[in-house]
Amino acid sequence: EAEVAQSPRYKITEKSQAVAFWCDPISGHATLYWYRQILGQGPELLVQFQDESVVDDSQLPKDRFSAERLKGVDSTLKIQPAELGDSAMYLCASSLATSGNPDTQYFGPGTRLTVL
Amino acid sequence: GENVEQHPSTLSVQEGDSAVIKCTYSDSASNYFPWYKQELGKRPQLIIDIRSNVGEKKDQRIAVTLNKTAKHFSLHITETQPEDSAVYFCAARGVYNTDKLIFGTGTRLQVFP
Repeated sequence: EAEVAQSPRYKITEKSQAVAFWCDPISGHATLYWYRQILGQGPELLVQFQDESVVDDSQLPKDRFSAERLKGVDSTLKIQPAELGDSAMYLCASSLATSGNPDTQYFGPGTRLTVL
Repeated sequence: GENVEQHPSTLSVQEGDSAVIKCTYSDSASNYFPWYKQELGKRPQLIIDIRSNVGEKKDQRIAVTLNKTAKHFSLHITETQPEDSAVYFCAARGVYNTDKLIFGTGTRLQVFP
């Protein structure tokens, strides 16, 4: 069964450093999501891509976070500089969904970020 | 914006008993309500979902009910087993943002043998 892949699984960094996370969605999935999950809370959407275009980045802290999906397949989420409050699980998800119709979102295993 | 509240935050049941988790949502236009199960250290996995044109959906021991008037939806697990122990998240999809899911804060379910 195809799954969403993410790397690295764990990342420890010092504040003010740059970090990057990678996501490879299920083949053929047009929509890709990056979520942040703080311990004890539900996932919160950071950015959503439809193919290579950003559909929603209203919750992305754009002064330090950036995301790209250049060829409409895999995606990278970057934080620069990292802050202590960025410590969380970063989840990637993908779905077949095209405009308007809800479809199952499949999650990757996540990258657990610890900022020291 | 859309808000989803989930209760209880923790739930302990004896094996074989039923478990019920409840969520309320704020956007009356929401039309899709999935439930995810997340075991410790693992990815969230969809266990059941319901759309706004249906009041109830069942899959073996799991069922979801939706009350659109009250903006409530609930997860029901019958004949619970120790492997049901996990954190469960409800979510609601608003219609003003494409596919955007708003998640509840999660319920930690413990099933004791």
